[in-house]
Amino acid sequence: DVKVTQSSRYLVKRTGEKVFLECVQDMDHENMFWYRQDPGLGLRLIYFSYDVKMKEKGDIPEGYSVSREKKERFSLILESASTNQTSMYLCASSSGQYQETQYFGPGTRLLVL
Amino acid sequence: DQQVKQNSPSLSVQEGRISILNCDYTNSMFDYFLWYKKYPAEGPTFLISISSIKDKNEDGRFTVFLNKSAKHLSLHIVPSQPGDSAVYFCAASKSNAGNMLTFGGGTRLMVKP
Repeated sequence: DVKVTQSSRYLVKRTGEKVFLECVQDMDHENMFWYRQDPGLGLRLIYFSYDVKMKEKGDIPEGYSVSREKKERFSLILESASTNQTSMYLCASSSGQYQETQYFGPGTRLLVL
Repeated sequence: DQQVKQNSPSLSVQEGRISILNCDYTNSMFDYFLWYKKYPAEGPTFLISISSIKDKNEDGRFTVFLNKSAKHLSLHIVPSQPGDSAVYFCAASKSNAGNMLTFGGGTRLMVKP
C-alpha cells in the first residue's frame, strides 16, 4: 500500500510567520504535488515536482515555495503566512506513468491568525 | 476560469436509491477522468476512472459515464449506502501533462438511512 504522510494534522500560526509543511511518501514515486482545498473550489495545485530538485508552479503558487532535496520528501513553505492562506493542505504522489492515479496524504489544516 | 465544474455542491439520497453526481469540463484536451472520494479529516482516495476512448466504466456499485460531445461525466452509485456519505471530486488530465490533475469543486453526498 502506498503511504503518504504529512508532518502535522493541525497547525496554528500567526501572520508573518514562516511555515513548513512536510510530506513523505514511501513508494519511490517520481512525482509529488501540493494542493490546497477550500470549500467550493476543490483542490487547487500549488506546486509539483517531477524529480529531485525540480519544481514547477501550479495554478496558485503566489506566497508559497517548495523544496525537494530527496525523492521521498516534498516540503511546502509559506515564507510569510497570511490569513488568506488558512486552508487544508494536501500532499500527493504518483509514479509518473500516464493514467496513474495520485495518492494523497491525510492533509494539514492550517489556521493563520 | 474553472475547467472542471461540479455544479451541485451537495446531494441527499435515501439509502438503497441511486446517487448521481455530475461533472462538466471545458477543455477538449482532457482525455482521462477520475473520481475521488474524501471523508472528513482524510485525504482523497481514488474511486474510479474512465479514458476518453470509453463511454462507460463499471466497478461494483460505481459506474462512470462519459459523454464527450457534451463534455460531461457522471458517477452513479447503486445502491447508495450510508458509508458512501463523503465529498466526491471529479478530476481530469491530459495525456501530454503527465499526472497533473484538474479538480472540480466537489459534491457532498449524504446518504440517509
